[in-house]
Amino acid sequence: DAKTTQPNSMESNEEEPVHLPCNHSTISGTDYIHWYRQLPSQGPEYVIHGLTSNVNNRMASLAIAEDRKSSTLILHRATLRDAAVYYCILSLHGSSNTGKLIFGQGTTLQVKP
Amino acid sequence: GAGVSQSPSNKVTEKGKDVELRCDPISGHTALYWYRQRLGQGLEFLIYFQGNSAPDKSGLPSDRFSAERTGESVSTLTIQRTQQEDSAVYLCASSSLPGTNYEAFFGQGTRLTVV
Repeated sequence: DAKTTQPNSMESNEEEPVHLPCNHSTISGTDYIHWYRQLPSQGPEYVIHGLTSNVNNRMASLAIAEDRKSSTLILHRATLRDAAVYYCILSLHGSSNTGKLIFGQGTTLQVKP
Repeated sequence: GAGVSQSPSNKVTEKGKDVELRCDPISGHTALYWYRQRLGQGLEFLIYFQGNSAPDKSGLPSDRFSAERTGESVSTLTIQRTQQEDSAVYLCASSSLPGTNYEAFFGQGTRLTVV
């Protein structure tokens, strides 16, 4: 399974943008890039995913490098509720285990008021 | 139900006993995942069911762990002869066929405590 590398922790101020980086240098052409987050005492929740093009949704934006070896999750205005562990995951497509999600250690985001 | 349902929400068991954890996925979801999360740790992949394909059991930590899924519905994770190191939150998730708009939905987990 292709691996991802994320910083262990990051801090942000409330109402400022946050850029969460992820390296995935061993990504294959059929791997999707997913982001999930886990708030304290809850199960993970989906944030966003993409393949090649940058993606936007109501929660965040995903910027994918042209060579796809890295990506950045962008929270445009951090709120205290965004304090969570953010996981960057590669999901394989096109084989018998397509869609399998392997979580790494993630980045713990602290948001300061 | 609207979401992924797991039962029981909490389970305390004595060392050496067998336990069964249940997961009811969202109706129509073909993919189902089991993860283990120890206190303060990340999610550890256990097993993955996808449609009619053979399950990916590569994450099961020992032969004391097994899981089954009935068609595209309920799944049970069984831990035999429980040990204290099995204490963790066991999370189940389901998703539709991978495609352009799929996401995995997680249940609230079963907190297992082995005493």
